[in-house]
Amino acid sequence: GQQLNQSPQSMFIQEGEDVSMNCTSSSIFNTWLWYKQDPGEGPVLLIALYKAGELTSNGRLTAQFGITRKDSFLNISASIPSDVGIYFCAGGGGSQGNLIFGKGTKLSVKP
Amino acid sequence: GAGVSQTPSNKVTEKGKYVELRCDPISGHTALYWYRQSLGQGPEFLIYFQGTGAADDSGLPNDRFFAVRPEGSVSTLKIQRTERGDSAVYLCASSPQGFAGELFFGEGSRLTVL
Repeated sequence: GQQLNQSPQSMFIQEGEDVSMNCTSSSIFNTWLWYKQDPGEGPVLLIALYKAGELTSNGRLTAQFGITRKDSFLNISASIPSDVGIYFCAGGGGSQGNLIFGKGTKLSVKP
Repeated sequence: GAGVSQTPSNKVTEKGKYVELRCDPISGHTALYWYRQSLGQGPEFLIYFQGTGAADDSGLPNDRFFAVRPEGSVSTLKIQRTERGDSAVYLCASSPQGFAGELFFGEGSRLTVL
């Protein structure tokens, strides 16, 4: 089946730093979405991308839908403590009619 | 509330027992999804409803798992003869568009099979 490779698996952030994570697939997707999940909660939608090459911002978050439709990245600028959590990419509209999720990137505060 | 509601939030059961998990989607959302999330993993697709019918149940792991949505709103995920490997958080999501549009998730039902 389709799989998404999300990297890095985890990273430590210091307040004010910019953060970047990405997602790649061997399959084409027609939509890419980025979610954030806090402990004990369900994933919350951050950004949705519907067009190859599209670059979309939501406050300090910026995401891009790769031109090949096989990848996407998410950038967080000037990170703050509440950015801590697990970020998931999800691809949709591929050969399977549902969202396929990556394994997540865990953001933690640098000790 | 206006969000997706899931009950129970926590369920502990013994191996071999039958379990039902309920999902109440956002009002007016025609599409409803069930996902399963194990520790340290992303959500894994189980089944998707468009209205009352299961549009895609390819993610159900075996015939012990079954889901219904009889009136096109509330859905129930049913697990028969539970096994320890069924322990996970079961997430429900709804969408106004369906077919891999934007999904809005509930907080999940954490199932523990002893």
